[in-house]
Amino acid sequence: QVQLVQSGAEMKKPGASVKVSCETSGYPFTTYGISWVRQAPGQGLEWMGWISGNNDKTDYARKFQGRVTMTTDTYTSTAYMEVRSLRSDDTAIYYCARDQGDYGNYGDMDVWGQGTTVTVSS
Amino acid sequence: EIVLTQSPGTLSLSSGDRATLSCRASQIVSDNYLAWYQRKPDQAPRLLIYGASNRATGIPDRFSGSGSGTDFTLIISRLEPEDCAVYYCQQYGSSPPTFGQGTKLEIK
Repeated sequence: QVQLVQSGAEMKKPGASVKVSCETSGYPFTTYGISWVRQAPGQGLEWMGWISGNNDKTDYARKFQGRVTMTTDTYTSTAYMEVRSLRSDDTAIYYCARDQGDYGNYGDMDVWGQGTTVTVSS
Repeated sequence: EIVLTQSPGTLSLSSGDRATLSCRASQIVSDNYLAWYQRKPDQAPRLLIYGASNRATGIPDRFSGSGSGTDFTLIISRLEPEDCAVYYCQQYGSSPPTFGQGTKLEIK
């Protein structure tokens, strides 16, 4: 059974950083990429970027370039996403999802993590 | 980037009815790479349809997708109370992948 299990909720102050983990199981980790998607309160879903399962390629949405870093650990089949210089409008639920596509040709997201709530407040 | 516009914003129907949800793209969606997701409160999104018309694993045949080019439709037949959710379309034919703003389905 394919599962993605994310780390717990975080509360951060503006200017801080947060790193969310996404532990996967039930499939060969390096075979699929991971997309990260967020949903701010009252907003829709927003694709943040993608990382290959073997950590050799990343692609970030333009608005997150320079502020977000995605990595993977192939030994533990875990993906990570770090967001730096947090602002109040980064308050959102952050999801990881297994992506059926490849670098530059992303796919549908067939399995999702349960989500990690990140609250940014002074 | 491709902008997806979903309509209606909210749909209020009764159990047993048929729901028709629309997703219109600002440009042609390459290879009809269009997916639909269901998001219930406090749950992660769930893939329903990929490639415009293919049901994901375990999705009942009450859910069907159609369309091509710039116009896509999700139909949910024989509505059940558990179908109450927000439905999102997503295109992945062009980078960056983008989502529609969602259609909220209420079951009266």
